[in-house]
Amino acid sequence: NAGVMQNPRHLVRRRGQEARLRCSPMKGHSHVYWYRQLPEEGLKFMVYLQKENIIDESGMPKERFSAEFPKEGPSILRIQQVVRGDSAAYFCASSPRQGDGYTFGSGTRLTVV
Amino acid sequence: GIQVEQSPPDLILQEGANSTLRCNFSDSVNNLQWFHQNPWGQLINLFYIPSGTKQNGRLSATTVATERYSLLYISSSQTTDSGVYFCGSGGGTSYGKLTFGQGTILTVHP
Repeated sequence: NAGVMQNPRHLVRRRGQEARLRCSPMKGHSHVYWYRQLPEEGLKFMVYLQKENIIDESGMPKERFSAEFPKEGPSILRIQQVVRGDSAAYFCASSPRQGDGYTFGSGTRLTVV
Repeated sequence: GIQVEQSPPDLILQEGANSTLRCNFSDSVNNLQWFHQNPWGQLINLFYIPSGTKQNGRLSATTVATERYSLLYISSSQTTDSGVYFCGSGGGTSYGKLTFGQGTILTVHP
């Protein structure tokens, strides 16, 4: 049971480039959640997805950010035209059903230079 | 949305001491979880505890949903307990989504 796999672990992008962050949930988990953590801060909810559906995207910035969880393959968090303020750790979690306990991945640390 | 407050913000202990961390939430919840973020940044789920009491080794947690708080107890603390402890709560129709508190930074000295 490999747990929640996130890749890459570290990602460096220049301002204006695109960042793609991947998350493969635990086997048997169909609910995926993305959170952002700024340095020295707590975790902020971004988006909650179930296979092929966005359940709650109330935490997603209105522009440049999108997320998907296709029928096959990992969930993808996409950030277009990155800016310095996007530098953060992005964590993905999964659960078997809504409201169940989370398992977090190790996170992707995005640095925008 | 739900507001979550954790206290204390910082806690410094000598190895072997006991501690209690508190999480207050502003609305009724049906999802309450405690996590430990270790110094390497990994987030480990400690408890899924929307109500009642659970114990796991030196750690235990109690949630009193009607009074909107949860407590995490750490007994006989060890240096490996150092890190940040987060409480996350969820309710309403999208209760899979958690709102997190700002965390309690715990430092355990040998």
